[in-house]
Amino acid sequence: DAKTTQPPSMDCAEGRAANLPCNHSTISGNEYVYWYRQIHSQGPQYIIHGLKNNETNEMASLIITEDRKSSTLILPHATLRDTAVYYCIVRVANFGNEKLTFGTGTRLTIIP
Amino acid sequence: GAVVSQHPSRVICKSGTSVKIECRSLDFQATTMFWYRQFPKQSLMLMATSNEGSKATYEQGVEKDKFLINHASLTLSTLTVTSAHPEDSSFYICSAAEGSVVYTFGSGTRLTVV
Repeated sequence: DAKTTQPPSMDCAEGRAANLPCNHSTISGNEYVYWYRQIHSQGPQYIIHGLKNNETNEMASLIITEDRKSSTLILPHATLRDTAVYYCIVRVANFGNEKLTFGTGTRLTIIP
Repeated sequence: GAVVSQHPSRVICKSGTSVKIECRSLDFQATTMFWYRQFPKQSLMLMATSNEGSKATYEQGVEKDKFLINHASLTLSTLTVTSAHPEDSSFYICSAAEGSVVYTFGSGTRLTVV
């Protein structure tokens, strides 16, 4: 699976949009971009995933550049509960036996 | 959505004893489950892939005789830490995929070996 690069930490004011970047310049054509987050001492929580089109769900939006070499996760109105480590993962989505490999992620802190 | 239940959430054991951690997919069947370990302030490290009805696949550097994995049914995988030592103290997390796309994680087990 392609490697990802994320900033180690970010701050965002409560109520503002949090934009978390991820670089995946070696991504292959059949690899998806996944975002998970981990709140302290809990298991990771799925946020969103996409292949090449932008995606939106009730939690966040995912913007993937046209060349697919980078993406941005957007939390539109950050709350204190969004403080967590956010992981950007690239993997092939075919069958449920493909492992997820976690990088170091971005520690997002929401400031009151 | 899919739910993965992990038990116990927290366990303290004496050095030299064994500890079993259970991972259950509550509302779906999972032919494959994954076991991760996470040390403080570090990312999740995959330990092994658990396959229903067959032997687990371990990542490089993970001792298969120390971390015994059993995946006897489509909804249950267990991880047994044998002869635990203080350096095995960690946060253990399992995950499973419903279908081929989204992986759901358990809430984790905090193991402390004293």
